Amino acid sequence: AQSVTQLGSHVSVSEGALVLLRCNYSSSVPPYLFWYVQYPNQGLQLLLKYTSAATLVKGINGFEAEFKKSETSFHLTKPSAHMSDAAEYFCAVSPTGRRALTFGSGTRLQVQP
Amino acid sequence: GAGVSQSPSNKVTEKGKDVELRCDPISGHTALYWYRQSLGQGLEFLIYFQGNSAPDKSGLPSDRFSAERTGGSVSTLTIQRTQQEDSAVYLCASSALTRGTDTQYFGPGTRLTVL
Repeated sequence: AQSVTQLGSHVSVSEGALVLLRCNYSSSVPPYLFWYVQYPNQGLQLLLKYTSAATLVKGINGFEAEFKKSETSFHLTKPSAHMSDAAEYFCAVSPTGRRALTFGSGTRLQVQP
Repeated sequence: GAGVSQSPSNKVTEKGKDVELRCDPISGHTALYWYRQSLGQGLEFLIYFQGNSAPDKSGLPSDRFSAERTGGSVSTLTIQRTQQEDSAVYLCASSALTRGTDTQYFGPGTRLTVL
């Protein structure tokens, strides 16, 4: 079964610093990959998705992710963190032949002033 | 436009009681999903409806859980004889089926607490 692993349940960065949230997937075929963000007491909001059109995917709020097949990774980055980026981030995969998402365990991003 | 809405936003119930959670998807979206978010298990898929096809129930944790979707729109998730381990946030999502992959839009969730 396809799955995703998020390294680091908590990440803390300073405002203005680079944000790097790691996600690795397991799949024998190129999957569809997603990053979602969840703000406190809210639902999930799509940041970006990979659908094999381009390996570098740009999303909302200045985030981007690069699909690296050789590393089976789909890490999320943002050049400069903002206080409003503090939230929980989930990487997800859409398993082949099924549309329901399989989520990683999430990474809580804390931004220090 | 209006997003996915869920009701109630919070539900507190006693162990053994039945509960119904409601989801109103985005108008025109033919696919609807239920997920559960809990501390111990993270985000888990429960059930998926696509148009008039038989639902994918492979994620339902027990036969106490069921869901229906009436008229291809509103969905109700029912949990019978609730247990304390059912306490979680239940999230609903909908999507417009297109070629390739479809983006799922999530509602704010229903927080269920079983005492």
